[in-house]
Amino acid sequence: EVQLVQSGAEVKKPGESLKISCKGSGYSFTSHWIGWVRQMPGKGLEWMGIIYPGDSDTRYSPSFQGQVTISADKSISTAYLQWSSLKASDTAMYYCARVSGGVDYWGQGTLVTVSS
Amino acid sequence: EIVMTQSPATLSVSPGERATLSCRASQSVSSNLAWYQQKPGQAPRLLIYGASTRATGVPARFSGSGSGTEFTLTISSLQSEDFAVYYCQQYNNWPWTFGQGTKVEIK
Repeated sequence: EVQLVQSGAEVKKPGESLKISCKGSGYSFTSHWIGWVRQMPGKGLEWMGIIYPGDSDTRYSPSFQGQVTISADKSISTAYLQWSSLKASDTAMYYCARVSGGVDYWGQGTLVTVSS
Repeated sequence: EIVMTQSPATLSVSPGERATLSCRASQSVSSNLAWYQQKPGQAPRLLIYGASTRATGVPARFSGSGSGTEFTLTISSLQSEDFAVYYCQQYNNWPWTFGQGTKVEIK
């Protein structure tokens, strides 16, 4: 069974750093793109970026380029999304997603709350 | 960046009725178009990919059509569990982009 299991909810202060994770299982982790999708409270879905764990090829949406870093450790089948300096506007639900003709599997989401 | 525009923003439908949701792309995305359903507090669920192919386990009452810039998701007879928000998404060109969503609510 394919599963993407994300790390738990986070509460951070503005300016703090954060790295959240997404562990894949039940499939060949290195053979599918993994992406990150943001959903701000009460809003729609936004692609942030994607990574191909097989060779770490990474692409960012222009809106998120330079704002976050996406990485993957194929030895432990885990993808990451990280911030070096959080802002209140980063408060959102973040989903990881396996790409295969659209997104066929989603993580359960990680809620990130940034508040002073 | 390709802009995806969904209409209407909200669709009020009675159970058992047909629902037709539209999605327009600002430039051709060929058939690289997916539809998702999202219920409150849940991750999205893939319904349709390749514009018209139902994902595994998706009931036959969901159908997708279109190519190029105009796409449609049809729910032939709405069930109570179908009231949700629906998103289209193109994956023809990076950055991939979602439409803003159509909320299907009970009339």
